[in-house]
Amino acid sequence: ELKVEQNPLFLSMQEGKNYTIYCNYSTTSDRLYWYRQDPGKSLESLFVLLSNGAVKQEGRLMASLDTKARLSTLHITAAVHDLSATYFCAVASETNAGGTSYGKLTFGQGTILTVHP
Amino acid sequence: DVKVTQSSRYLVKRTGEKVFLECVQDMDHENMFWYRQDPGLGLRLIYFSYDVKMKEKGDIPEGYSVSREKKERFSLILESASTNQTSMYLCASKPLGSGNTIYFGEGSWLTVV
Repeated sequence: ELKVEQNPLFLSMQEGKNYTIYCNYSTTSDRLYWYRQDPGKSLESLFVLLSNGAVKQEGRLMASLDTKARLSTLHITAAVHDLSATYFCAVASETNAGGTSYGKLTFGQGTILTVHP
Repeated sequence: DVKVTQSSRYLVKRTGEKVFLECVQDMDHENMFWYRQDPGLGLRLIYFSYDVKMKEKGDIPEGYSVSREKKERFSLILESASTNQTSMYLCASKPLGSGNTIYFGEGSWLTVV
């Protein structure tokens, strides 16, 4: 059974500081997703990482994937208040159903990020 | 833009009632999913569907059923709601092919009293 663990689960940061959220998973996968969720809102896709060594950046967020270590990181650079949200990683495992392959996602618990002045 | 619409945002139901949660997507996606989200547990997959009238159990299907009569619509049914089904329910859709983004609806907050 695939398990996905994020840490930390709670992160309080000062504006301007850097930090990293870690996502570990238990079985082989080469696809990992990062999502952002604002309070009371749905999930917004941030990154899809498709291969070992993949690195993607958008603004102050950078995500990377190491499939050998079964680890993804979400690095926050010079945090601003607008980044306050809950961040989820999700790992895809291929499942065949009715002859169709589809990606089942297993989510981490989420990291609640608060950025304060 | 892809749109996944959940018709009911907030519901309060009584124990034992039958509950329908509806989800519609407008991008002709083959795959649709129902998740529930609980604090500290992340999202857990209840059921998914890869085609009309086709469904497969996810990780926590007990107490739920689903219906997919049309490609764009995927319904989650609680046959007899119980208090432990109080949660936020998220519908999602995705086109065929690995690596594609999965798009989520706004969520339905269900309270069972």
